[in-house]
Amino acid sequence: SQKIEQNSEALNIQEGKTATLTCNYTNYSPAYLQWYRQDPGRGPVFLLLIRENEKEKRKERLKVTFDTTLKQSLFHITASQPADSATYLCALVSSSGTYKYIFGTGTRLKVLA
Amino acid sequence: KAGVTQTPRYLIKTRGQQVTLSCSPISGHRSVSWYQQTPGQGLQFLFEYFSETQRNKGNFPGRFSGRQFSNSRSEMNVSTLELGDSALYLCASSFTRDYGYTFGSGTRLTVV
Repeated sequence: SQKIEQNSEALNIQEGKTATLTCNYTNYSPAYLQWYRQDPGRGPVFLLLIRENEKEKRKERLKVTFDTTLKQSLFHITASQPADSATYLCALVSSSGTYKYIFGTGTRLKVLA
Repeated sequence: KAGVTQTPRYLIKTRGQQVTLSCSPISGHRSVSWYQQTPGQGLQFLFEYFSETQRNKGNFPGRFSGRQFSNSRSEMNVSTLELGDSALYLCASSFTRDYGYTFGSGTRLTVV
């Protein structure tokens, strides 16, 4: 069955360091992959989208990579700040068949001052 | 521009009752999707509507239903509520499938 795995354990890093979050998937051929940020009690907020034919995407301090051979996406936050503390979700969308989104369960990031 | 608006924000219902949740998407967004979020299961896809037609459906029982109106506003209904239906219900709209969702803040449903 289709599966997305994100590190369920919380990730704690020091302010100013680069945070790297992982999204692995199996039995899936996504057309593109998205990353979202979610704060407690709020809906997810869209951050970045990367297509299957793209290797890397950047937006300000954020960088996403997509390796369809390894079936993995990495999400980086450089020069992390305490305000970056949140849960980060990856979502895969397939263009074949029914075009459903599948979300990972998210990784909680805490940036320590 | 206004974001995705979900009402109500909080709801407490008794087992066996039914509930209707409402979602107003961003102006111009014709695609509306609904998700259930629980701590153990994460975000689970319920259904997607586009131009008043259900385009996709997740693996939920028939007690969960939805609809979309001509102004793109959407409602979802859950009948015969069960304790396990307690969750955060999120609505999301998008301009096209190639763009990210814009989520509402959700409706927190508690079934007692």
